[in-house]
Amino acid sequence: EPEVTQTPSHQVTQMGQEVILRCVPISNHLYFYWYRQILGQKVEFLVSFYNNEISEKSEIFDDQFSVERPDGSNFTLKIRSTKLEDSAMYFCASNVGQDGHGYTFGSGTRLTVV
Amino acid sequence: KNQVEQSPQSLIILEGKNCTLQCNYTVSPFSNLRWYKQDTGRGPVSLTIMTFSENTKSNGRYTATLDADTKQSSLHITASQLSDSASYICVVSGNYGQNFVFGPGTRLSVLP
Repeated sequence: EPEVTQTPSHQVTQMGQEVILRCVPISNHLYFYWYRQILGQKVEFLVSFYNNEISEKSEIFDDQFSVERPDGSNFTLKIRSTKLEDSAMYFCASNVGQDGHGYTFGSGTRLTVV
Repeated sequence: KNQVEQSPQSLIILEGKNCTLQCNYTVSPFSNLRWYKQDTGRGPVSLTIMTFSENTKSNGRYTATLDADTKQSSLHITASQLSDSASYICVVSGNYGQNFVFGPGTRLSVLP
């Protein structure tokens, strides 16, 4: 069964450093998303991406964050200057269309900012 | 404000027993409602998805119900197994199925 692949599975970074989280969505999917889940809390929407541009973003997704689809397969989330409170699981998801039936999550990247 | 609430917060049952998890939502407009299973440290995995016109949907031992009038859903797990121990998350989508609103989840523990 097709999967959304995320790398790395765990990343530790120092406060103030830039990190890039990588995702390979399912190949025929057109809509891409990032979510985060702080330990013990619920999953929160960050951003959605379609046709090479951001289609929607939440209040969490401030100027520190950016997304990019640098080639035909990868979808990345960059955090420019990490803060302690950015420590969380970051989930990528992709979807084939707008109706949500093919929505698939990756296994996540655990980001720890020290 | 679009919100999804779930109850109970946590639940402990014995292997082989049935259980029912609840979800209430205020998301509007409504597109669909999903139930996800999330193992610790893993991404959510879809169990069921229901649109406005669907009242019930089954996936093996999982049966979800939806009452769009009262904005309530339930997930019934039959003959629970140890591997059912996980968080079960209710997710409601508005806006043409995009940008879901997640509930806080119910933490289910199945004991031998």
